Amino acid sequence: SYELTQPLSVSVALGQTARITCGANNIGSKNVHWYQQKPGQAPVLVIYRDSNRPSGIPERFSGSNSGNTATLTISRAQAGDEAGYYCQLWDSNTALFGGGTKLTVL
Amino acid sequence: EVQLVESGGGLVKPGGSLRLSCAASGFTFSNYGMSWVRQAPGKGLEWVSSISSSSTFIYYADSLKGRFTISRDNAKNSLYLQMNSLRVEDTAVYYCARSPSSSGDGFDYWGQGTLVTVSS
Repeated sequence: SYELTQPLSVSVALGQTARITCGANNIGSKNVHWYQQKPGQAPVLVIYRDSNRPSGIPERFSGSNSGNTATLTISRAQAGDEAGYYCQLWDSNTALFGGGTKLTVL
Repeated sequence: EVQLVESGGGLVKPGGSLRLSCAASGFTFSNYGMSWVRQAPGKGLEWVSSISSSSTFIYYADSLKGRFTISRDNAKNSLYLQMNSLRVEDTAVYYCARSPSSSGDGFDYWGQGTLVTVSS
């Protein structure tokens, strides 16, 4: 079955750029969505269809998707960006989530 | 303002049943696909089921093996999840989520979740 692989954790210095990857076979042919989840809260959609930002999401959040890797990029990382991040796509009418990445802002 | 409010969670014994509800407001409910996504304690997100705007298309995670049933009532702006033959491993926070269609799109709004605990 199709599986999405994310690193368990990523660390970034305050004000620097964080990149969180989501790997799968030929993921570039699919639409990838990204969610941010802070402790005790519901997930929030931060990127949809690879690179689109919903209303209200800062421009610091961007996405790309090509080949076997989709990437969520967070520029000028802030303390408030510390959270779990999940990639998600649809495969044969099944929604799949990556295992999630814990972003730590140092 | 889009609001999704889940209810119906609680403590249930293994083998028992539970019906979750999700009350929607702030948007035209009948125009959107809806889904249930769950999260076991300390774990990641797991998709459960999705239903199209008019209930024409319904999808389930293979792992559920027919134990769960999703439905909706557009007249009541409500989404439901009937859960039968519950197992300890079904313990999770259950979120309802909206998407522009029943499959393909991201989940753009989520409720705050309702906790289901399956334990003897």
